[in-house]
Amino acid sequence: DTGVSQDPRHKITKRGQNVTFRCDPISEHNRLYWYRQTLGQGPEFLTYFQNEAQLEKSRLLSDRFSAERPKGSFSTLEIQRTEQGDSAMYLCASSSWTSGRALDTQYFGPGTRLTVL
Amino acid sequence: LAKTTQPISMDSYEGQEVNITCSHNNIATNDYITWYQQFPSQGPRFIIQGYKTKVTNEVASLFIPADRKSSTLSLPRVSLSDTAVYYCLVGARDNQGGKLIFGQGTELSVKP
Repeated sequence: DTGVSQDPRHKITKRGQNVTFRCDPISEHNRLYWYRQTLGQGPEFLTYFQNEAQLEKSRLLSDRFSAERPKGSFSTLEIQRTEQGDSAMYLCASSSWTSGRALDTQYFGPGTRLTVL
Repeated sequence: LAKTTQPISMDSYEGQEVNITCSHNNIATNDYITWYQQFPSQGPRFIIQGYKTKVTNEVASLFIPADRKSSTLSLPRVSLSDTAVYYCLVGARDNQGGKLIFGQGTELSVKP
């Protein structure tokens, strides 16, 4: 399977604990995105990388959230001191972006469902 | 990015053609229209993208009138497996940010 993979698929944690999610994009995709989705809503953008550079962060990404893509391949999203409001599906997507090209299709992974008790 | 408006839900029966219309009155000259499909507990999946007139692929057709203030996703002969949420998005052709702005989407329910 050469699609976007995410690990773990499910995570249950207690309030105040730290959690880390991993995303492996499609090989050679230079852009990697993180989104968060709550029940009944569409995904909300959190942040994205082009290669190893983090180019944009949403205001939704509080100081407790940090994302990395150290070698321009896989990425991690860490949430410190989790709160119940962090419960959501965390989606990762990747794309092969080229300036001037019309189509920049984002391919999504299956997501990591976080439940904070 | 332009705001979109689409019906919250639609019902259909197997074998019917389904048309989901999306309004995007403030679409900009450089914006493209893209549709994604999302099944429960899965990430969204790209369906189709267009700029004007009509685009067709193996999954769906996208109709865009001349004023581009709306678009219609057409799913021919739906089956139960087409039950999903469908999102309409608009964004710039060479959007330096690249992020997708999703609305609530249209929850399509296909019945036998």
